[in-house]
Amino acid sequence: QSALTQPPSASGSPGQSVTISCTGTSSDVGGSIHISWYQQHPGKAPKLLIYQVNKRPSGVPDRFSGSRSDNTASLTVSGLQAEDEANYFCSSYVDDNLKLFGGGTKLTVL
Amino acid sequence: EVQVVVSGGDLVKPGGSLRLSCAASGFTFSNGWMTWVRQAPGKGLEWLGRIKPNADGGTIDYAPPVKGRFTISREDSKNMVFLDMTGLKTEDTAIYYCNIGVWCGNLLCDYWGQGTLVTVSS
Repeated sequence: QSALTQPPSASGSPGQSVTISCTGTSSDVGGSIHISWYQQHPGKAPKLLIYQVNKRPSGVPDRFSGSRSDNTASLTVSGLQAEDEANYFCSSYVDDNLKLFGGGTKLTVL
Repeated sequence: EVQVVVSGGDLVKPGGSLRLSCAASGFTFSNGWMTWVRQAPGKGLEWLGRIKPNADGGTIDYAPPVKGRFTISREDSKNMVFLDMTGLKTEDTAIYYCNIGVWCGNLLCDYWGQGTLVTVSS
């Protein structure tokens, strides 16, 4: 099973919106409700931003939103802030017993 | 306050074995879905496997690269989950994270340990 495909980098200026894509197949992204997004700052553990495609855990700002269309999931960060500069990873389950991660996207706030 | 502490990382020779431990507190441990994730230096995240709560069958699933070499177990009475690794290879060198998911009402609470470094080298 291959990793999910993410762009290696993305960027935006403070206050702008940025969308990061995550492409898989009908067996994973296109067929699973269990799509998640994680934020990871250098040297830190990942932090869950989005689960079940578009739900936010308590404490995650509503500037972060998730969606899916066919075999591609997307994370949108609105109102970019300096602290949003980090690596972002998507993930999806396959048949509920195997979880795949994307390769990661480095988000730069210009 | 929730705490998740991972320990056991070390330098080990190829072919060797190692046990990682993850101790957690501050929530109902027995309800937690326990996952191990690793990250090779400068690389992305890799899911290794997951053990469900006993109330959900306690099923354990593994990623193909580690199936048959790694074993996940849990001891709810001690609030701990373990990752036993055998037949270690140089490509297993990574930071290993313990990740716990538990339902907090209708929302998912997701907790991560700080990670522990495993280096496989002769």
